[in-house]
Amino acid sequence: GNSVTQMEGPVTLSEEAFLTINCTYTATGYPSLFWYVQYPGEGLQLLLKATKADDKGSNKGFEATYRKETTSFHLEKGSVQVSDSAVYFCALSDKVGTSYGKLTFGQGTILTVHP
Amino acid sequence: AAGVIQSPRHLIKEKRETATLKCYPIPRHDTVYWYQQGPGQDPQFLISFYEKMQSDKGSIPDRFSAQQFSDYHSELNMSSLELGDSALYFCASSSTGNEQFFGPGTRLTVL
Repeated sequence: GNSVTQMEGPVTLSEEAFLTINCTYTATGYPSLFWYVQYPGEGLQLLLKATKADDKGSNKGFEATYRKETTSFHLEKGSVQVSDSAVYFCALSDKVGTSYGKLTFGQGTILTVHP
Repeated sequence: AAGVIQSPRHLIKEKRETATLKCYPIPRHDTVYWYQQGPGQDPQFLISFYEKMQSDKGSIPDRFSAQQFSDYHSELNMSSLELGDSALYFCASSSTGNEQFFGPGTRLTVL
């Protein structure tokens, strides 16, 4: 079955530091890949996505590239801010017809950014 | 823009009681998903509906049932509640070919 593995956390950084959160996956077929962010007390928000190999998703300074050869989708940001403090989930879904199927999530990485 | 609405936001029940969680998807979204997130855990898929028909089923206990109504809202019914059912329950919706948008969740506490 499908699975997603994220780097163990939590991650603590100073403001303006470089961020990398590793994510690898196991899937049959050709999944779509996502990063979701969860702020304290809130629901999950889609941060970025990539639907095929070598696609790069980007949003709010965050980037991730779909690497089929290494089955990875690492999240990066060049300069983090205090407001980026949240829990980050890597996820995948298989296509079901023309729609995305259910999401399979990684275990989540807690990011804390200090001023 | 309209978002996914879930009610109630918080719910406290006793063991062996019944709970009903409601989800109102974004207008014109045809698919609804339910997920359960235990404390410090990643969300786990429970069940989904496409155009009011069950489309996929995950690790949903037999004590739980769900349906999607003609107005596309969905309800998750949970009976014989156990302490381990305490979790955050998310509903998400999507339109064909597009990603899922999540609601704020219902926090269920079973005492």
